Amino acid sequence: DQQVKQNSPSLSVQEGRISILNCDYTNSMFDYFLWYKKYPAEGPTFLISISSIKDKNEDGRFTVFLNKSAKHLSLHIVPSQPGDSAVYFCAASRWLSGGGADGLTFGKGTHLIIQP
Amino acid sequence: DAGVTQSPTHLIKTRGQHVTLRCSPISGHKSVSWYQQVLGQGPQFIFQYYEKEERGRGNFPDRFSARQFPNYSSELNVNALLLGDSALYLCASSLRTGNTEAFFGQGTRLTVV
Repeated sequence: DQQVKQNSPSLSVQEGRISILNCDYTNSMFDYFLWYKKYPAEGPTFLISISSIKDKNEDGRFTVFLNKSAKHLSLHIVPSQPGDSAVYFCAASRWLSGGGADGLTFGKGTHLIIQP
Repeated sequence: DAGVTQSPTHLIKTRGQHVTLRCSPISGHKSVSWYQQVLGQGPQFIFQYYEKEERGRGNFPDRFSARQFPNYSSELNVNALLLGDSALYLCASSLRTGNTEAFFGQGTRLTVV
């Protein structure tokens, strides 16, 4: 049972335009959400996160939106640049009653291709 | 500053063998987590350690074990290797358990033949 879903395996966007990557989740217990970017032969690189008490978080060109009622989040990249071409993973976690947080649950990823 | 370092980067083992993967977290980070990523999938959580104690475990068989040392480095051990254990094994470190950012190493590519 996949608790975090990224339904688009790939996405092609023209340089300078907006890239929108989507993620859906099924576990209402998740407390915060993260986006990671991964290049081949490298580990995932943290991009941006959002707590479940917020609906938006911005960091430079990256903005994450969270819709808790729809169990949906999205990552917006504006403007898209050639270096943004990579696989993007959505991840989620929850706080534990004994303190700390559970391990991250990842989606399968979306391959973003920025075309010149 | 050095990031998360993992060794070895690549490894080939035979079915039934044992393997040990190593991870050094970012200086000052006390939490280490391990993930398995098979081709075409996202990373899957295996273990989380904080202050040398196991704080979380994913849905993996008992053939998988791990530990964290006093210097916060960590080892992941896999016994009785199966072909299906072939994957990229990722280590992530964070300041403390519950930190919203986990920093990943480049991974160890394990191939079981």
